[in-house]
Amino acid sequence: RKEVEQDPGPFNVPEGATVAFNCTYSNSASQSFFWYRQDCRKEPKLLMSVYSSGNEDGRFTAQLNRASQYISLLIRDSKLSDSATYLCVVNIYKNDMRFGAGTRLTVKP
Amino acid sequence: EAQVTQNPRYLITVTGKKLTVTCSQNMNHEYMSWYRQDPGLGLRQIYYSMNVEVTDKGDVPEGYKVSRKEKRNFPLILESPSPNQTSLYFCASSPSGTPLSNQPQHFGDGTRLSIL
Repeated sequence: RKEVEQDPGPFNVPEGATVAFNCTYSNSASQSFFWYRQDCRKEPKLLMSVYSSGNEDGRFTAQLNRASQYISLLIRDSKLSDSATYLCVVNIYKNDMRFGAGTRLTVKP
Repeated sequence: EAQVTQNPRYLITVTGKKLTVTCSQNMNHEYMSWYRQDPGLGLRQIYYSMNVEVTDKGDVPEGYKVSRKEKRNFPLILESPSPNQTSLYFCASSPSGTPLSNQPQHFGDGTRLSIL
């Protein structure tokens, strides 16, 4: 089993749709979780951290389910500009950060 | 402007010719790391550093070396590059690497290496 796993997609959705991604992780002791966004051939950029109680930033909602060892990202009212690859990041142990392979999202008019 | 700077941005070289990719950050961050990104595999951590003179192996350290003599610099060294090290490389930094800090990483623009 991979340490961090994501559905690679692609997810093709119309503008205005709600879309959700999950990311599972293997180490139950992991403590830090993030979602990053990466545009084609660009550097990853932080989208949001994921807190135990769940957190929201505008149209984006992140949640953590420790019991089932996954994090999720929900995007409401999708915009064309949301088209990108979404990477989940988990610290597996100590300070070793592991990235998922990414989920590709395309929002279409 | 707060940033992570990598050089070079692009490099084509030949097998066995030693090369160094530099990484510098101006944010006084303690934690720095190197990743490579390959299609279908995502970003994989090569090495990371918690602070000056402290480095640790990540997921894929074979064939790479790093050093952290100063807080701001974290060069990646390929002593004898091979074609399987052709990849897109990213350097990143964060204020602290402590997991409880929940601090995100800031990435450089990337270095595209081609080893022929």
